Amino acid sequence: DAGVIQSPRHEVTEMGQEVTLRCKPISGHNSLFWYRQTMMRGLELLIYFNNNVPIDDSGMPEDRFSAKMPNASFSTLKIQPSEPRDSAVYFCASSLAVLGRNEQFFGPGTRLTVL
Amino acid sequence: TQLLEQSPQFLSIQEGENLTVYCNSSSVFSSLQWYRQEPGEGPVLLVTVVTGGEVKKLKRLTFQFGDARKDSSLHITAAQPGDTGLYLCAGAGSGGSNYKLTFGKGTLLTVNP
Repeated sequence: DAGVIQSPRHEVTEMGQEVTLRCKPISGHNSLFWYRQTMMRGLELLIYFNNNVPIDDSGMPEDRFSAKMPNASFSTLKIQPSEPRDSAVYFCASSLAVLGRNEQFFGPGTRLTVL
Repeated sequence: TQLLEQSPQFLSIQEGENLTVYCNSSSVFSSLQWYRQEPGEGPVLLVTVVTGGEVKKLKRLTFQFGDARKDSSLHITAAQPGDTGLYLCAGAGSGGSNYKLTFGKGTLLTVNP
C-alpha cells in the first residue's frame, strides 16, 4: 500500500512568493494533520482535519498560512507571502481515528527554504 | 500547555552497547507513542503504550509507560548501526483532544560500527 504522499519534496523560493504544499493521505484514513519541524521547536502541529473538516487550526502561525482539504484524498498547505522564518520541513500525516487510537502515519516531508 | 522533555538530546555509542532514553512530562497523557525518524524521512511509528506501567517489547527495543502515565522510557539492547536515528516520543491528549500529539524534541542516536 502507498503511504502518505507529499509534493514537492524540496522547495526553494524567494521571500514574498506563494508556496503550495500538497498531500495525499493513506486511502481510508479519516484524519489528516499538517506539521512543521525545525531544530529549535521540534515538531509542531499546524492544523488537523477530520472527515475533510478543519477541527483545530490553533497551530497555524498567522494569516499567511492556510490549509484546505477539498476531498478525502487531497490536502494543501499554502503560505502567502512566504518569509525566511517559514523555512522548515513540513510534514503531512494521516490516521484512522477509531476507538480513541491515534496512530499517525507521516509522509516524507517537504523541505522548504525561503531566501 | 503540555510539554515533553526528552533526554539525552544526543547519544553516540558503539555497536553492541545498551542504552536507555527518557521522555518526561508533568502532564498525564492518554497514551504515548514512540517514533523513529531517519534523515530526509518522516517519523515512523514504533509503538503505542496506553496503560500505566505497561511494558512492550519490539525485538531489541523495550518500551515502558510510567505508572502515572506522565513518562516513558525506551531501552535498546545490543544496539546496531541500523538503530541510528532520531527517536521521538509523543503524548496524546485525553477525551476529545486525543487526536492531538505533543512531541518531544527527540534523542538523536548514533550507533558506530
